[in-house]
Amino acid sequence: DAGITQSPRHKVTETGTPVTLRCHQTENHRYMYWYRQDPGHGLRLIHYSYGVKDTDKGEVSDGYSVSRSKTEDFLLTLESATSSQTSVYFCAISESRDGEQYFGPGTRLTVT
Amino acid sequence: ILNVEQSPQSLHVQEGDSTNFTCSFPSSNFYALHWYRWETAKSPEALFVMTLNGDEKKKGRISATLNTKEGYSYLYIKGSQPEDSATYLCAFRRDSNYQLIWGAGTKLIIKP
Repeated sequence: DAGITQSPRHKVTETGTPVTLRCHQTENHRYMYWYRQDPGHGLRLIHYSYGVKDTDKGEVSDGYSVSRSKTEDFLLTLESATSSQTSVYFCAISESRDGEQYFGPGTRLTVT
Repeated sequence: ILNVEQSPQSLHVQEGDSTNFTCSFPSSNFYALHWYRWETAKSPEALFVMTLNGDEKKKGRISATLNTKEGYSYLYIKGSQPEDSATYLCAFRRDSNYQLIWGAGTKLIIKP
């Protein structure tokens, strides 16, 4: 298995609080991605990174920000969590832009 | 936003039978088509990355074909086994975009 961990694995938080999810990889892959997965939807890209300090928005980026200060870590921040951000969040990595993606175990976030 | 459609949504198959399902995507500006397998309580795992019209890929009892001109890919499973029970996801990439657009998946249940 690719070395990808996500923390925390589960979190319950209140509306309006900030939340940061962490993705950590040991594969030295250049590309990292944050997705959310909701019932009835495919995986939807929130943000991605193509190198240290290089990030870009995905399909559903509103309300989220990211940072990548080291190759191995990609942080996803919800500045002020809302109930619509209740979801399962997956981090993924890939060696190349076109390559297959390897997924972390997911973080289940509940915003009450 | 481009749409990727997968059909059927779910499928019950008797153990030992063969089956197939479909991923439909826009036929213009094709760059790549990915297939992933997602077992319950696990993370998605890559099966195939396909880039050329007419591509056929095989991994054990699972194979996939690609028709970029008409915008579809088929995934075939020969002699289904209980361990094949999973959701199968496809994802499409246009030529100028890093972003994969994911289908909602086909949930395959193998009946012993």
